[in-house]
Amino acid sequence: GENVGLHLPTLSVQEGDNSIINCAYSNSASDYFIWYKQESGKGPQFIIDIRSNMDKRQGQRVTVLLNKTVKHLSLQIAATQPGDSAVYFCAENPGGYNKLIFGAGTRLAVHP
Amino acid sequence: GAVVSQHPSRVICKSGTSVKIECRSLDFQATTMFWYRQFPKQSLMLMATSNEGSKATYEQGVEKDKFLINHASLTLSTLTVTSAHPEDSSFYICSALGPHAQPQHFGDGTRLSIL
Repeated sequence: GENVGLHLPTLSVQEGDNSIINCAYSNSASDYFIWYKQESGKGPQFIIDIRSNMDKRQGQRVTVLLNKTVKHLSLQIAATQPGDSAVYFCAENPGGYNKLIFGAGTRLAVHP
Repeated sequence: GAVVSQHPSRVICKSGTSVKIECRSLDFQATTMFWYRQFPKQSLMLMATSNEGSKATYEQGVEKDKFLINHASLTLSTLTVTSAHPEDSSFYICSALGPHAQPQHFGDGTRLSIL
């Protein structure tokens, strides 16, 4: 993804529902992808990652799906809770250097 | 494990001042650390990659003489914003590669405000 935008897109969900956050990445050579959660005034917190030789990986309440054909990444959060409210960033490693290129981010707002 | 500490968390200073920000890996050695800048409601933008014992690698458009990076030990990298001006006001965040490379572990950032 590109670091663009003066405002973040927002996904609003009801507590208990499942959330799906999408991300389009830019570099077809990227071989590693990661999702971070960022709460206000804090640094990003690791959620889950996936390598390009996989198309799905599951964690606790979270699943990451990778579609290399269309360069798309998604994060699914099951039974979303108020504590999940934050900004979520996808990031890609364009190969070879360990650095990460961050997407624009999505704000997740969970309503009781 | 893999805790990264950043200090200070907030700095307010006058224009023309130089400001040093520290990034420490508390429970692991980090040969590689990264410095990011984040404006309000925007994403993280990589400024530079800091390698222990060697010169930092800066991203395109980042002035190396403006943003001095020193990675003198396996647990400490510093970013010095020299002669800071109001346009340098931002949220600066560091990260470190853990003992097994990815993922990067982030500090909690430093909010820099230049008056």
